[in-house]
Amino acid sequence: DVKVTQSSRYLVKRTGEKVFLECVQDMDHENMFWYRQDPGLGLRLIYFSYDVKMKEKGDIPEGYSVSREKKERFSLILESASTNQTSMYLCASRSGEQYFGPGTRLTVT
Amino acid sequence: QKEVEQNSGPLSVPEGAIASLNCTYSDRGSQSFFWYRQYSGKSPELIMSIYSNGDKEDGRFTAQLNKASQYVSLLIRDSQPSDSATYLCAVSPSGTYKYIFGTGTRLKVLA
Repeated sequence: DVKVTQSSRYLVKRTGEKVFLECVQDMDHENMFWYRQDPGLGLRLIYFSYDVKMKEKGDIPEGYSVSREKKERFSLILESASTNQTSMYLCASRSGEQYFGPGTRLTVT
Repeated sequence: QKEVEQNSGPLSVPEGAIASLNCTYSDRGSQSFFWYRQYSGKSPELIMSIYSNGDKEDGRFTAQLNKASQYVSLLIRDSQPSDSATYLCAVSPSGTYKYIFGTGTRLKVLA
């Protein structure tokens, strides 16, 4: 079974803090993704990576950066958290089919 | 802009009935199609994938693909209250690693 894990299920941060969300997959997948999901807006792609150290912007990359130093690990960084980044963050990895981690519900106060 | 459209619902069906969920997509070159189930507060879970025209059955679930009409559907037979969730349709357009997700259809199965 594919396993995608995320570092936290719930996170509360203050405005202006730097936030790190980590994702690890155990299936040697080359492609990994970060999404955010908000009511009424669906899943929106923030960034994806198709190989180690390779990344591409998704639909809403502003205010975010990513890091992929190892194949199994893909990190999302909020450089300076803002209240409009309060959301559910979902990591996914794929070979053919895409599998999601459990999600991190981030609240920025 | 490549799009995937779903009726947001809620779609309400009685227990034991067939639930029919539909999805249309705009990119004619798309090759891969997926259905995810998402319970409230949880992450999406892959339940079906389909790659060629026709039907694909897995237990109580049947995915149907019609590339000429650019739609994909999911049938759930003998619906159970535990099937109550939001169902997301996803399409992988040609030439990209990305998936395009619909906004989901909320299904309510009434006991």
